[in-house]
Amino acid sequence: DTAVSQTPKYLVTQMGNDKSIKCEQNLGHDTMYWYKQDSKKFLKIMFSYNNKELIINETVPNRFSPKSPDKAHLNLHINSLELGDSAVYFCASSSTNEQFFGPGTRLTVL
Amino acid sequence: SQQGEEDPQALSIQEGENATMNCSYKTSINNLQWYRQNSGRGLVHLILIRSNEREKHSGRLRVTLDTSKKSSSLLITASRAADTASYFCATVPAGNMLTFGGGTRLMVKP
Repeated sequence: DTAVSQTPKYLVTQMGNDKSIKCEQNLGHDTMYWYKQDSKKFLKIMFSYNNKELIINETVPNRFSPKSPDKAHLNLHINSLELGDSAVYFCASSSTNEQFFGPGTRLTVL
Repeated sequence: SQQGEEDPQALSIQEGENATMNCSYKTSINNLQWYRQNSGRGLVHLILIRSNEREKHSGRLRVTLDTSKKSSSLLITASRAADTASYFCATVPAGNMLTFGGGTRLMVKP
């Protein structure tokens, strides 16, 4: 069984569009995260969500918004996509220190 | 700048040799973690070392931590071709958001 899953795996879209990436974890973890990995492989945390508390990395544009319908899901919504948003986005979850990562969603903005 | 910075950025060795990767960080930490990322995949947690620990072993992995120098090293002994991947250190500075370095790309040649 997949512990942390993301859909879609690949997403190609035009500038200005709005898109969502879904994430689900079946580990019963309390905290979920979204990360962005750029072309140079730098991994930057975007959001941390725990028991309805959202911690936002201040460098993340407000076009990005996480939404959690329940404890097992943390979806990422992106409005008005820009070229610079092209990257691989990873969802992760944790209950203690160790984080479990999803397989990633490669977003390409044309 | 990155909280954790790995050195070297890339490392190429022969199967059977040992691989050593270093990580430096800037602020006080609660713990330091090492993760592995295979090409096109999500990150996988390898090992965690707490700030009051100096050395930790897990199979062929050996991690050291020097809090006075704000540095850590990951040693992979008797490397295998399957160890080829990118290795990231991650720290939990103030604010408790896991912060990753830029990674070391390890290639183990058969």
